[in-house]
Amino acid sequence: QKEVEQDPGPLSVPEGAIVSLNCTYSNSAFQYFMWYRQYSRKGPELLMYTYSSGNKEDGRFTAQVDKSSKYISLFIRDSQPSDSATYLCAMSANQFYFGTGTSLTVIP
Amino acid sequence: EAQVTQNPRYLITVTGKKLTVTCSQNMNHEYMSWYRQDPGLGLRQIYYSMNVEVTDKGDVPEGYKVSRKEKRNFPLILESPSPNQTSLYFCATRGGAGADTQYFGPGTRLTVL
Repeated sequence: QKEVEQDPGPLSVPEGAIVSLNCTYSNSAFQYFMWYRQYSRKGPELLMYTYSSGNKEDGRFTAQVDKSSKYISLFIRDSQPSDSATYLCAMSANQFYFGTGTSLTVIP
Repeated sequence: EAQVTQNPRYLITVTGKKLTVTCSQNMNHEYMSWYRQDPGLGLRQIYYSMNVEVTDKGDVPEGYKVSRKEKRNFPLILESPSPNQTSLYFCATRGGAGADTQYFGPGTRLTVL
């Protein structure tokens, strides 16, 4: 079983839709949970991070961590074409573990 | 501006010709690492370095070497590249006040013929 599982998509939504991206994990030792956004031909850029359980909001983005279910989510409200990218979840204990990424396209 | 830089950004080479991809950071982070990214496999760690002169293998170290002689630089060396090392490579640093996060360079796209 992989440490981190992420549905690769692709996911295609109309502009303005609410997007939900998810990852599951198996290691209960993970404490930091991150979402990265990667545009084509670019390096991953840190979008949000959360420590332990709970929610964190930043503008149109909300990250949720449910440690009891070993499940993390990223919600994007009022999605824009500029949100079209691959989104990677990541988590760390001593080592970092990344999901394989979900490709998102927001159609104008 | 805090950043991680990599050079070259694109490289086409032939099997067996030694090459080095440089990585430099200005964030004063102690931890640096190298990843390769392949379709369907995601990011896989090649090597990492906790500090100067301290390096360790990641998940896919075969065919790669690294060195960490100074804090800001962490070059990736392919002594004898093979076609299965054709990939997108990222250097990353780890750190940040109050958080455990990684910061990635722009990537190096390597093709080995």
